[in-house]
Amino acid sequence: SAVISQKPSRDICQRGTSLTIQCQVDSQVTMMFWYRQQPGQSLTLIATANQGSEATYESGFVIDKFPISRPNLTFSTLTVSNLSPEDSSIYLCSVNYGPVSGNTIYFGEGSWLTVV
Amino acid sequence: RKEVEQDPGPFNVPEGATVAFNCTYSNSASQSFFWYRQDCRKEPKLLMSVYSSGNEDGRFTAQLNRASQYISLLIRDSKLSDSATYLCVVNGESSYKLIFGSGTRLLVRP
Repeated sequence: SAVISQKPSRDICQRGTSLTIQCQVDSQVTMMFWYRQQPGQSLTLIATANQGSEATYESGFVIDKFPISRPNLTFSTLTVSNLSPEDSSIYLCSVNYGPVSGNTIYFGEGSWLTVV
Repeated sequence: RKEVEQDPGPFNVPEGATVAFNCTYSNSASQSFFWYRQDCRKEPKLLMSVYSSGNEDGRFTAQLNRASQYISLLIRDSKLSDSATYLCVVNGESSYKLIFGSGTRLLVRP
């Protein structure tokens, strides 16, 4: 499995501000994924971060609200912009190790965001 | 209908009990199936993949019924440390897109 480091691990932010979450992986991976888990809910995929191209967003998520960077094969950032209390969630970075691992997703420890 | 449906529980069982979780999925084209475990305020961690022939890992047994689009997880001889939320996960429209169920919460009591 991968070692996936996320930071910050938690933050409390004022509404209207933005938070950028960093994700570092200990090996090169083709695809990195960003998920959101709202309180009491399951995980929802926000977008797939591809190195060298724009991220692919899922229905209901847009680049203006969730800009993503993927400068290399071991690092990605997710920014949550113009924060509102509804953005209070856990944001999880994940990677897929491809066919060797049978399309298994491994997660970082998550970034806990509270918007006040 | 949700793409992946699970009984939310909680299942409250004594130590040593056998407990079974069920999950149904809507996309008949799905090819990859997993059970993840999520402890309170932690990230999900892979418990086991689910194969067509069924598979076992110690006290855990996973079964897949493609015809019924049904996945199960059986935990034998429950331990206190098994208390967690168990997430049923199925791949979506592409092999890399995973759809998570809302999870089934298990509480194992002494």
